[in-house]
Amino acid sequence: QKEVEQDPGPLSVPEGAIVSLNCTYSNSAFQYFMWYRQYSRKGPELLMYTYSSGNKEDGRFTAQVDKSSKYISLFIRDSQPSDSATYLCALTRGNNRLAFGKGNQVVVIP
Amino acid sequence: SQTIHQWPATLVQPVGSPLSLECTVEGTSNPNLYWYRQAAGRGLQLLFYSVGIGQISSEVPQNLSASRPQDRQFILSSKKLLLSDSGFYLCAWTWGSDEKLFFGSGTQLSVL
Repeated sequence: QKEVEQDPGPLSVPEGAIVSLNCTYSNSAFQYFMWYRQYSRKGPELLMYTYSSGNKEDGRFTAQVDKSSKYISLFIRDSQPSDSATYLCALTRGNNRLAFGKGNQVVVIP
Repeated sequence: SQTIHQWPATLVQPVGSPLSLECTVEGTSNPNLYWYRQAAGRGLQLLFYSVGIGQISSEVPQNLSASRPQDRQFILSSKKLLLSDSGFYLCAWTWGSDEKLFFGSGTQLSVL
């Protein structure tokens, strides 16, 4: 079983819809949870960072962590065409080594 | 503020040729530096990790090597490229115990 599972299937949504992305993980030692956004042919950029269970909001983005279920989510409200990108989850045990999901390609259709 | 520079953005190299990719970080000292490779459908693969000058950890045995000749400079090299070395190479950094990883803009390497 891989450390981090993220369904890479492309996700197409109409503009204004809510985008819901998630990752599951197997190792309960993971303490820090991040979401990255990557535009085509660019480096990933850090979008959200959290280390506790619960929700964290930043503008239209909400990161949710459920440590008991080993499940993390990213929600994008009022999605815009500029949100079209690949979103990667990343987890770490606190040893400066991140485990990444494979990424979710999101397309927001105007 | 801290910035990371990576070049070139695109590189096309013949099989058997050497490789040198360079990455520098500005605005911080003693960063932890990383080289990742991203292949289509395979996610991000950590290649090398460095906590200081001359200190390199290799994560995956392969045709590549890394060096850190200066505190904020990280170099990825190969003596003879293979077709399988094609991919998107990313340099990244963290500082101290902060887990937030910041990436460079990447180099798309095509080995033909």
